[in-house]
Amino acid sequence: GPKVLQIPSHQIIDMGQMVTLNCDPVSNHLYFYWYKQILGQQMEFLVNFYNGKVMEKSKLFKDQFSVERPDGSYFTLKIQPTALEDSAVYFCASSFDQGANSGNTLYFGEGSRLIVV
Amino acid sequence: GDSVTQTEGPVTVSESESLIINCTYSATSIAYPNLFWYVRYPGEGLQLLLKVITAGQKGSSRGFEATYNKETTSFHLQKASVQESDSAVYYCALVPTSGGNYKPTFGKGTSLVVHP
Repeated sequence: GPKVLQIPSHQIIDMGQMVTLNCDPVSNHLYFYWYKQILGQQMEFLVNFYNGKVMEKSKLFKDQFSVERPDGSYFTLKIQPTALEDSAVYFCASSFDQGANSGNTLYFGEGSRLIVV
Repeated sequence: GDSVTQTEGPVTVSESESLIINCTYSATSIAYPNLFWYVRYPGEGLQLLLKVITAGQKGSSRGFEATYNKETTSFHLQKASVQESDSAVYYCALVPTSGGNYKPTFGKGTSLVVHP
C-alpha cells in the first residue's frame, strides 16, 4: 500500500541544538500531520498542515517547533532549540482528504526516534 | 477535548481463542465522528485495520470486526479466533466531522500477545 517515509529513523542530539525531521508523504496526499509519542505514553497530536499552512496545533506544539513543506518536497518538523523533554518518537502521517464523512484514512511513517541529551 | 479510552494492555491470549479489545470515546462536536482501528505490527509503521464512518454500521478486516455504537459511544474490536500473527499494538481513534476541527485523536494503544 501507500508508504510514508521518515528520515532519520533515529537521531541523538545535544540539548539546545536544532533538529529537522523529514517526512516524505504519500504522493497525492494533501493533508499532513505530526504526532509525538513519549516512551510508554499515548501518541499525541502535534500539528496538521494543508495548502502550505498550519491548520491546527496542540499545546505540545511549542514555539520552538515549526513545520513546512517547501515546493511540495519533504514535510518537515524543525525543533530549535531542542530540550530534554523533546525526546520521543515523532510520527508523520498524511491523508488525501478530510472533513465530514470523508472517512479520511491517515497513512503513517515508522517514526523518527529523537533522543536529546 | 476529544478522548479515546481503550483496554489497557498487554492482553495475552492463546491461538484460536476469541478476543475483544474495548474502546470508548468522547467527542465534543455535535456530529458523530468517524471511528478507526489502527494496528502496528512489530517493526512496522501504524496502518489502518478498519474504519466506520456511519453510526450503527460494522467494519471488518482480516477477521476483525468493530461496530459503531453511538448509544454507548463504543467501538470495541473483536475477533472470533486469533492467530499468532495478530500479535501487535492496536489503536482506536476518532476523527471529528464538523466544526472545522478534523484532528484525529488516538487511544493509548493495546498490546496484544498471542501465544501458539
